[in-house]
Amino acid sequence: EVQLVESGGGLVQPGESLRLSCVASGFTFSRYWMSWVRQAPGKRLEWVANIKQDGSEKGYVDSVRGRLTISRDNAQNSLFLQMNSLRAEDTAIYYCAREDGSYIEYWGQGILVTVSS
Amino acid sequence: EIVLTQSPGTLSLSPGERATLSCRASQTVTSNFLAWYQQKPGQAPRLLIYDASSRATGIPDRFSGSGSGTDFTLTISRLDSEDFAVYYCQQYPGWTFGQGTKIEIK
Repeated sequence: EVQLVESGGGLVQPGESLRLSCVASGFTFSRYWMSWVRQAPGKRLEWVANIKQDGSEKGYVDSVRGRLTISRDNAQNSLFLQMNSLRAEDTAIYYCAREDGSYIEYWGQGILVTVSS
Repeated sequence: EIVLTQSPGTLSLSPGERATLSCRASQTVTSNFLAWYQQKPGQAPRLLIYDASSRATGIPDRFSGSGSGTDFTLTISRLDSEDFAVYYCQQYPGWTFGQGTKIEIK
């Protein structure tokens, strides 16, 4: 059974940092592109970033480029999102997701990040 | 960036009725790489349809997708009580999502 389990969320003040982690199981992690997708309260889903199987290519939505960094550790079946210079508009549930070509079949349960003073 | 616009915003229907949801893209969607997801409160999205018309594993056949180019449709032939939720479309390769259509009980 495919499982994606996020951790590391919480409440931080504007300008602070946070690191999200996602541990994958039930599939060969190193064979898949992986993504982070977020959803602000009452808003649509928003793709945040993705990373190629070997980590050699990364993509970001414009609003986070330069502040958020995606990475992975295939030996530990883990995906990460380093979040720096956080803003109120980064408040959302963050989902770890496995890309299956042009769609996402597997999602984590989500982790809440709240940026507020 | 391709913008996806879903309509209507809310659909009020009764169990057993047919639901028709629209997703319109601002530009042609590459190779009809258009997916549909269902999301219930407090849950992660669930993949229903990919590549515009292919049903995901385990999805009942009352769900069907159609369309091409810039206009896509998700149809639920007969609404079951478990189908009342929010539905999102998504296109690739830009990974943009529509704003969602909520199906509520009439």
